[in-house]
Amino acid sequence: DAGVIQSPRHEVTEMGQEVTLRCKPISGHDYLFWYRQTMMRGLELLIYFNNNVPIDDSGMPEDRFSAKMPNASFSTLKIQPSEPRDSAVYFCASSLSYTQYFGPGTRLTVL
Amino acid sequence: GQQLNQSPQSMFIQEGEDVSMNCTSSSIFNTWLWYKQDPGEGPVLLIALYKAGELTSNGRLTAQFGITRKDSFLNISASIPSDVGIYFCAGEGGTASKLTFGTGTRLQVTL
Repeated sequence: DAGVIQSPRHEVTEMGQEVTLRCKPISGHDYLFWYRQTMMRGLELLIYFNNNVPIDDSGMPEDRFSAKMPNASFSTLKIQPSEPRDSAVYFCASSLSYTQYFGPGTRLTVL
Repeated sequence: GQQLNQSPQSMFIQEGEDVSMNCTSSSIFNTWLWYKQDPGEGPVLLIALYKAGELTSNGRLTAQFGITRKDSFLNISASIPSDVGIYFCAGEGGTASKLTFGTGTRLQVTL
């Protein structure tokens, strides 16, 4: 299996621009998670889906963040408008039970 | 969000030495997982523990699920340079595959 695939791996954008991060989970997994990692706050769960339905979005920092999962093989995390404090590494993970498998992450830099 | 307490925060050891790190929580967990993160990559699962008292090995790695279900430890024997990275514990407490992550232990191995 190819594992969790994320794109892009790196994204540099200017403040105010829209950013879209993409994730393809492992085939057959029914849970998908979006995390953000920073030095200050560590790994934070932003939102997770079960069978394409958002279950818990309490970790989404504010309304500028939104996530969708239109089908079992694709999810997006959108930030609009982006701010410098959104700079972080964003990870997608998928699981079938309790064992989550992470993608390589997208390093986002907002100037 | 809630995080598990991991210790130590960082370790500097010589190649060949054994390493021990642990994770504690005020909450009971049903599953404990240990992940390793290499620079620029996502966390990779090392060991999963599913019941209290369980002791599991994976090569030079050994992990245990504490009897109280509130702690876990990870040992690495005969460390080698490629053991360098950040080690995270994670616990699952019964909320639909949602994991709580520790703050991480950064391991440095010198020759």
